[in-house]
Amino acid sequence: GAVVSQHPSRVICKSGTSVKIECRSLDFQATTMFWYRQFPKQSLMLMATSNEGSKATYEQGVEKDKFLINHASLTLSTLTVTSAHPEDSSFYICSARDSLFYEQYFGPGTRLTVT
Amino acid sequence: GQQLNQSPQSMFIQEGEDVSMNCTSSSIFNTWLWYKQDPGEGPVLLIALYKAGELTSNGRLTAQFGITRKDSFLNISASIPSDVGIYFCAGRINAGNMLTFGGGTRLMVKP
Repeated sequence: GAVVSQHPSRVICKSGTSVKIECRSLDFQATTMFWYRQFPKQSLMLMATSNEGSKATYEQGVEKDKFLINHASLTLSTLTVTSAHPEDSSFYICSARDSLFYEQYFGPGTRLTVT
Repeated sequence: GQQLNQSPQSMFIQEGEDVSMNCTSSSIFNTWLWYKQDPGEGPVLLIALYKAGELTSNGRLTAQFGITRKDSFLNISASIPSDVGIYFCAGRINAGNMLTFGGGTRLMVKP
């Protein structure tokens, strides 16, 4: 089956530092990847849509300069949280859409804690 | 963003019982998906529905795509402890569109 990996699974960083999260589709190509944020006991909130070779599309209210997205290949997208603050602490989940069948598969998530 | 109306929000049932949850929308979707999320993990696709009226099973799970294209339900038969988790419905208008998620149903199973 389609597998999406995320790295790291957990990260703790100090306020003011930047953190990069990688999302990879392991056995399929993904022209489009999505980045979600999930708060405890809530549904997934779409942050941005990442398209290979072009600029990401951000949802309303999501700062593009704070959440930098790069989709450099058909199997890799990265999310960099710049100058992280405690309120950025959350569970970040990426999703990759299969370029052939359009189904969307999710990564295991990254727990970010900013101290 | 927009969400589907998913109910119930939570369920606490006895092992062996059947479970039913549903999602409704004010607008039409052409694809309905059901995901399960375990604690600390990403959602895993359980069932995908592509045609109105379609009824699809995956083991003890059965899901249906409503005739009106505005609703879908998921049934779990003979629940077991490992069914515990959050179940999300998701709708999509066309293949190239993003998913719209329901608020989730938190399932708890008492052994």
